Amino acid sequence: EADIYQTPRYLVIGTGKKITLECSQTMGHDKMYWYQQDPGMELHLIHYSYGVNSTEKGDLSSESTVSRIRTEHFPLTLESARPSHTSQYLCASSVGGAEETQYFGPGTRLLVL
Amino acid sequence: GESVGLHLPTLSVQEGDNSIINCAYSNSASDYFIWYKQESGKGPQFIIDIRSNMDKRQGQRVTVLLNKTVKHLSLQIAATQPGDSAVYFCAETRPKLVFGKGTKLTVNP
Repeated sequence: EADIYQTPRYLVIGTGKKITLECSQTMGHDKMYWYQQDPGMELHLIHYSYGVNSTEKGDLSSESTVSRIRTEHFPLTLESARPSHTSQYLCASSVGGAEETQYFGPGTRLLVL
Repeated sequence: GESVGLHLPTLSVQEGDNSIINCAYSNSASDYFIWYKQESGKGPQFIIDIRSNMDKRQGQRVTVLLNKTVKHLSLQIAATQPGDSAVYFCAETRPKLVFGKGTKLTVNP
């Protein structure tokens, strides 16, 4: 089982609030990712990082931002939450190189009222 | 753009039967494929992978078949159990991982 953690697991928050979703992995993986997933639907990549101080936007446009100051930590921030941000956010990591198997955290379910 | 997709959004099988979940991909340059299982309220869990230089790979009760000629990937689950009920996603690496839409497998007792 992969050692990748996300907090909080569930979050209900009002419009306009700033939120940070936490993601940590203890596997020493260089690559980390954030996906957005609506219930029962496919995963959409919104951010990724190939190492410390490296962040890139994914295929799906997102108003969120990320940072990668430490290898094990890849937080996602929404400066001003809106109801359209309601979704599940999944964090993943991979070893890198030719091996691209990604290991996922349990996800954060976000509801913006 | 090119995408990875599954043929059926839902599949219902009887406990003990074999399940086959299909996936079509469109990028012939993809060289690595993964099947994930996602149970309700959890993140996707790696099941099995296959590289493009192979056409079959077996795991415990699962087999992945790759047909590069028709760009088709399938996941076979032997003796399906209630615990196999989940949404199954195929994904291809080109080079970032791209996920298909998922098939919800329901196992009836």
